[in-house]
Amino acid sequence: GAVVSQHPSRVICKSGTSVKIECRSLDFQATTMFWYRQFPKQSLMLMATSNEGSKATYEQGVEKDKFLINHASLTLSTLTVTSAHPEDSSFYICSARVRHRLEAFFGQGTRLTVV
Amino acid sequence: AQSVAQPEDQVNVAEGNPLTVKCTYSVSGNPYLFWYVQYPNRGLQFLLKYITGDNLVKGSYGFEAEFNKSQTSFHLKKPSALVSDSALYFCAVSLPGSSNTGKLIFGQGTTLQVKP
Repeated sequence: GAVVSQHPSRVICKSGTSVKIECRSLDFQATTMFWYRQFPKQSLMLMATSNEGSKATYEQGVEKDKFLINHASLTLSTLTVTSAHPEDSSFYICSARVRHRLEAFFGQGTRLTVV
Repeated sequence: AQSVAQPEDQVNVAEGNPLTVKCTYSVSGNPYLFWYVQYPNRGLQFLLKYITGDNLVKGSYGFEAEFNKSQTSFHLKKPSALVSDSALYFCAVSLPGSSNTGKLIFGQGTTLQVKP
């Protein structure tokens, strides 16, 4: 149980375009999901908390208009990187909170490359 | 500021030898402590957690971790390393409170290299 699936695993896009990344909880309902960003050989930095049916909560320094988060159902959160630039290239990972569990469960991650 | 430190960028150990990956934290209150492992271009896999109780917690794949409140440490250990244990290990904390459940502060990660 507690499987989180992230799609796509890799994406290459041109500068100025937008990219959508999906995070799904496959066998449980996730009222809260989290989006992290990871630079090469560095730690994960929390970008935002995604709450089902309400607006996401962004961490300080994260542009909410650039990183759009939608959590329209109990099993799906999406992160859209708008007007992507090469500096947005990174590894993006989502995680989900499971009811009655204190550990979070992570998706496989998405490698975004902006060219 | 709340933080987690993993003082070693890389740990090298021979297969069959014991391994230790260090973690210290600076967090107010009584945080929950976690270890995760990451393989290349993959998400994080949960290894173990400390919430309360016995200071020595056992987790997946033979790993264990020892919580030391006075030293604010949570070192990851394994009695006998395997080559397949080679990966990137992250220590993380979650602040107390239901609103913080699942919201993690990560250390910078330690690469474990186990040589045959």
